[in-house]
Order: sequence, then structure tokens, then C-alpha cells
Amino acid sequence: DAGVIQSPRHEVTEMGQEVTLRCKPISGHNSLFWYRQTMMRGLELLIYFNNNVPIDDSGMPEDRFSAKMPNASFSTLKIQPSEPRDSAVYFCASSLVGTGGGYGYTFGSGTRLTVV
Amino acid sequence: DAKTTQPTSMDCAEGRAANLPCNHSTISGNEYVYWYRQIHSQGPQYIIHGLKNNETNEMASLIITEDRKSSTLILPHATLRDTAVYYCIVRGYNFNKFYFGSGTKLNVKP
Repeated sequence: DAGVIQSPRHEVTEMGQEVTLRCKPISGHNSLFWYRQTMMRGLELLIYFNNNVPIDDSGMPEDRFSAKMPNASFSTLKIQPSEPRDSAVYFCASSLVGTGGGYGYTFGSGTRLTVV
Repeated sequence: DAKTTQPTSMDCAEGRAANLPCNHSTISGNEYVYWYRQIHSQGPQYIIHGLKNNETNEMASLIITEDRKSSTLILPHATLRDTAVYYCIVRGYNFNKFYFGSGTKLNVKP
């Protein structure tokens, strides 16, 4: 199993540009999560999907952020337009969630975004 | 989800047991205790979880008090590679979301 795959690993972009982060969850997992990590705010949950449907996007900072999951094997997080304060490491995680509890997440290696 | 309280940092000598405490005094009956760790620049890594019984796996042991208001993660023989931030999280039975707090920075020293 290749684990959760995120691309790109590093992204440097200029303020105002559109940025798209990509995630491939573990095959068979039914839930996908996007997190953002900064020194100031730690790990923040942005949005999560269950069976490709967005369930809770209350953590998405503003309308500049959007996320999609067109199928069970792919998700994107888009920032348009990007701003310097969006600079952070963005993590994707997936999980098999169902009755019985006790399911953990598997995280990807993250995308380090720098907006200049 | 119940909130958790962890020390900001701890030191441990290499080869010794590392005992990381976590308080979760408002935990409810169907909430699990999870532990994750994050080694510098990597994604968080699942370690162990439990409901009320003590648990052990190849990475660590989890000791949960009888009243479930606190728990301890034990790394039996810490190595330098165990230096990381350790997060204690309480999550509901069918509740999907994990909220990460500040965690404990464990420094394993030679």
C-alpha cells in the first residue's frame, strides 16, 4: 500500500495566483480530511468528506478556499487567489470510518505551500 | 469532543521508558483516547487508541485510569527517533473528526 499520496511536495507561488493541492487517499478508505498546519495555529481541520460528499467545511477559512472529491481516489484543495498568510503545510488524511469506532487516520507527507 | 491537557515538553534518556501523560477529565462514556505523533516535517502518525482497557501494540502501551479521566502513553525503550510531538486526542464513537491540540514535545537525549 502506497499510503496517502499528496502532490506537489512543495509549492512556491506569487500572491494572487491560483494554487491546487492534490490528494490520493488509501484505496478502500471512505473518508478524507484536509488539515493545515502553521506554527501559530497548529493543526487545523479544514474540511472532511465521507463517501466523496463534503460533510463539514466549517474549518475552511474563507471563500478563497474550495475542496472537491470527484471520486473515491482523488481530492483537490484549491486556493484562489492565494495570499501570503496561506503559507503553511497542508496535510491530507484518509480513514475507513464506520460503526464500531476505533478508526485512525493515515496522513500523507504534506504539501508545503509558500506564497510570496 | 472532550478537551485534553498535555505538558508542553518532556525529556527522556535514550533506552529509558518515556511516560507521556494526558488529562481528559470531561471524557464521556463512548469516547476513545487516541495517540498520534508527528516527527519533524512529517504527517502525524497513528500510535495507539483505547476505550477503557489498557492497550499494547508494537509501538507503545496505553494505560487508561479506571475513571477514564487521564491516560499515559508509554514508549518502553525510547530511541532518538522517538523525538517528536505527541498528541493525545479524545474522539467519539462514530464521530469522524480529530482535533489536534498542542501536544507534548518529547526530546529523547543520548
